[in-house]
Amino acid sequence: DVKVTQSSRYLVKRTGEKVFLECVQDMDHENMFWYRQDPGLGLRLIYFSYDVKMKEKGDIPEGYSVSREKKERFSLILESASTNQTSMYLCASSPGGKNNSPLHFGNGTRLTVT
Amino acid sequence: AQKVTQAQTEISVVEKEDVTLDCVYETRDTTYYLFWYKQPPSGELVFLIRRNSFDEQNEISGRYSWNFQKSTSSFNFTITASQVVDSAVYFCALSEADFGNEKLTFGTGTRLTIIP
Repeated sequence: DVKVTQSSRYLVKRTGEKVFLECVQDMDHENMFWYRQDPGLGLRLIYFSYDVKMKEKGDIPEGYSVSREKKERFSLILESASTNQTSMYLCASSPGGKNNSPLHFGNGTRLTVT
Repeated sequence: AQKVTQAQTEISVVEKEDVTLDCVYETRDTTYYLFWYKQPPSGELVFLIRRNSFDEQNEISGRYSWNFQKSTSSFNFTITASQVVDSAVYFCALSEADFGNEKLTFGTGTRLTIIP
């Protein structure tokens, strides 16, 4: 089974802090994604990566950056956390290729910015 | 731009009743994929089904069935004889057939509560 592991289940940070959310997958997947989930808004794509050192903006990239130095690891960075970034963050991975395979999700990190 | 609409925010049914979750999508692509995911209280999204735009056959998997109709741009999900374990948030999602790029556009989700 594919395992997508997010380093923290719950995180509390202060406004202005630099925050790192880490995600690791163990199935050699090409693609990795960061979504945020908010009530009434569903899941919205922040950034994704289809290869090491490659990144693409999703629908709501403002205030975020990402890093993919190794294939298995995809980090989401909040350069200066703000209260409107309080949310549930979900990491996902997929094999890539021609079949639009389903995404495999981690358990999520619930971030609170105070 | 792609869009997925799940108009039902919350549904509650009594156990053993049938329930249908609606999903309507918009896309300009002629080739695309549709998905349903389940998010139980534990938080992890669980993949249920994928359908490509060329396959309009309905699918049944145990108590779950899916009705895909391109004419109405809908991909509805029915649970038959619902059980308490079916309580979860269900998401419908759409992806472009841009091979190798599997980013999904999600609907806002439907919270389903099965009352024992």
